[in-house]
Amino acid sequence: DGGITQSPKYLFRKEGQNVTLSCEQNLNHDAMYWYRQDPGQGLRLIYYSQIVNDFQKGDIAEGYSVSREKKESFPLTVTSAQKNPTAFYLCASSILHEQFFGPGTRLTVL
Amino acid sequence: AQSVSQHNHHVILSEAASLELGCNYSYGGTVNLFWYVQYPGQHLQLLLKYFSGDPLVKGIKGFEAEFIKSKFSFNLRKPSVQWSDTAEYFCAVKQNDYKLSFGAGTTVTVRA
Repeated sequence: DGGITQSPKYLFRKEGQNVTLSCEQNLNHDAMYWYRQDPGQGLRLIYYSQIVNDFQKGDIAEGYSVSREKKESFPLTVTSAQKNPTAFYLCASSILHEQFFGPGTRLTVL
Repeated sequence: AQSVSQHNHHVILSEAASLELGCNYSYGGTVNLFWYVQYPGQHLQLLLKYFSGDPLVKGIKGFEAEFIKSKFSFNLRKPSVQWSDTAEYFCAVKQNDYKLSFGAGTTVTVRA
């Protein structure tokens, strides 16, 4: 069954700790994306990767880091430098023009 | 950067009423346009898309959207809503690269 998986669904961390969100896809898509969703602001692009071992900053990359060592995986690290990390994080992958989304991870920093 | 505006933050209507959600974007060149829907507790999923050709596009679940180039608009419509259409709706625009720009979203609540 093809798709995008994100884990965990809910994540709690203490302020000042780094945390890594997982995103895996078995759709054989080259491009992958991370978005942050906040109420009333839609989805904002954090990072994206068009191909393995390459990635670019999106509109709100500060305080985040990514890696793309494998085609299937695009983990996102929320660092302690991110001033307001509590949010819903969505991962996506795409082929040609259409993006497909994972179920999301809700991160709460206490 | 591309700017996408959705005119309504929250729409409340009764079953069988007609729905129209507005979407305007700022870029004047070639764009690809999308409407995504997020049902409560579910993945964000594609409702419909426009790349070229007939500016009136039909999507899933009876939704359609009209691309009006002169108005930079891509409004979503459904003639008769159902309770199951309660969801958040996002308009998105893609220019020449891989990136999508999203609107802020419109929450639609359909009352039985």
